[in-house]
Amino acid sequence: QSALTQPASVSGSPGQWITISCTGGSSDLGSYNLVSWYQQHPGKAPKLIIYDVNKRPSGVSNRFSGSKSGNTASLTISGLLAEDEASYYCSSHAGSRGIFGGGTKLTVL
Amino acid sequence: QVQLVQSGAEVKKPGASVKVSCKTSGYTFTSYNINWVRQATGQGLEWMGWMNPNSGQTGYAQRFRGRVSMTANSSLRTAYMELSSLTSEDTAVYYCARDVDGWLNWFDPWGQGTLVTVSS
Repeated sequence: QSALTQPASVSGSPGQWITISCTGGSSDLGSYNLVSWYQQHPGKAPKLIIYDVNKRPSGVSNRFSGSKSGNTASLTISGLLAEDEASYYCSSHAGSRGIFGGGTKLTVL
Repeated sequence: QVQLVQSGAEVKKPGASVKVSCKTSGYTFTSYNINWVRQATGQGLEWMGWMNPNSGQTGYAQRFRGRVSMTANSSLRTAYMELSSLTSEDTAVYYCARDVDGWLNWFDPWGQGTLVTVSS
C-alpha cells in the first residue's frame, strides 16, 4: 500500500481537462509545500512535470498545473493531447523518507 | 545538460547481490544527493534511499535496511546501489535520480533505469 493515495485510472477526450488527486496525511503532504508530479510513458523513466506543488520545470507545457489544499494535492492537465496518455505519480516530502503515490493511468479516449 | 546513465541489465540467482552504477555528468556531482527508486513490472514507484556524494551520508527505507548499500566515487562522478540477499521479489527496474533540493521529492533528472531479474 502506497503512502500517498491516487486514483488508479482517469480518462478524458482530446481537448478536455482532467484532474488527478493525491491524498496524504498531516505528517507528510499536509505539512509541507513540497509536492512533485512525474509523468511516465511505458518503458521510459519518470519525468518531472511539477515541483513545489505548482512550479513547472523549463520545457514543460503550461497545460500542466498543480495545486494543494490540506492533505490533498492535485495535478490538472488541460487541452488533453494523445501524447499525455501515460502514468502519473505524485511525491511528497515526508521527513526522513521519500514517498510516492500508487500512480494514475491516464487514458486519452 | 545534466545526465544520469546507468549500467546495463543484470540477471542474478536468488541469494546473490547486485550492484548498479549511475554515472553523472553536467553538474557538480558532490552538490546533490542521489536517490534510488525501483519499479516492479506493472507496479508503482518505490523509494529505496538516498546518498550524499560529498559526505557519504545515507538514509534507507526501512524495508531495505541491512541489505542495501549506497556509495559513490567522486572522481568517477558515479553513484552505486548494491542490494544483497536477492529474492524474486527484487525483480524490478532500478532508477537513480538527482535530488534537486534535498527534500526527498524533487527528483530531476532520472537515469534510464536498470532491469534486475532474479531467477533460479
